[in-house]
Amino acid sequence: TQLLEQSPQFLSIQEGENLTVYCNSSSVFSSLQWYRQEPGEGPVLLVTVVTGGEVKKLKRLTFQFGDARKDSSLHITAAQPGDTGLYLCAVGHNTDKLIFGTGTRLQVFP
Amino acid sequence: DVKVTQSSRYLVKRTGEKVFLECVQDMDHENMFWYRQDPGLGLRLIYFSYDVKMKEKGDIPEGYSVSREKKERFSLILESASTNQTSMYLCASSLGQGAQYFGPGTRLTVL
Repeated sequence: TQLLEQSPQFLSIQEGENLTVYCNSSSVFSSLQWYRQEPGEGPVLLVTVVTGGEVKKLKRLTFQFGDARKDSSLHITAAQPGDTGLYLCAVGHNTDKLIFGTGTRLQVFP
Repeated sequence: DVKVTQSSRYLVKRTGEKVFLECVQDMDHENMFWYRQDPGLGLRLIYFSYDVKMKEKGDIPEGYSVSREKKERFSLILESASTNQTSMYLCASSLGQGAQYFGPGTRLTVL
């Protein structure tokens, strides 16, 4: 059983469209991180959310942590080709280790 | 800025060879990690080190070993490479339970 489920698995959209991707679990977490991985590179941290209901904005990206701290969403407004990549959510699990979701692969066409 | 470097971006080896993947971080982080990333399987933890000479098995340690003689360097060793170890290998470091900082990855092909 996957601890973190991400959906959708794949998403192909045109430049300018809006989109939302999700990270869900049946467990409660103290914090959750979102990473973006561009082709041929390692993941890069986008944001950490720690408080239930918290909303963080990073330019056109809006991150929300669910009230019960079991899920999170990432909304991108007016997507651009530079947003193309693999979006991963991750949570801490008892130790300093992280558990990663399987990711949402986003392709934004010009 | 945290910098994590990996010794090679691309590597091609033959079955049975001993393979060393090196990772260096420059931010004095206690924790270092080795993952492999495969399509449909996500990031899977191979080994984790929380201090010099300390290591802990991850989810898929079979066929791998690690070495951490200095705080900044964490090496992944494939004792006898096999074709099912063809993968993208990612190294990361972190301070406590904070964010992990990743290297650019090594794409290993075992023929």
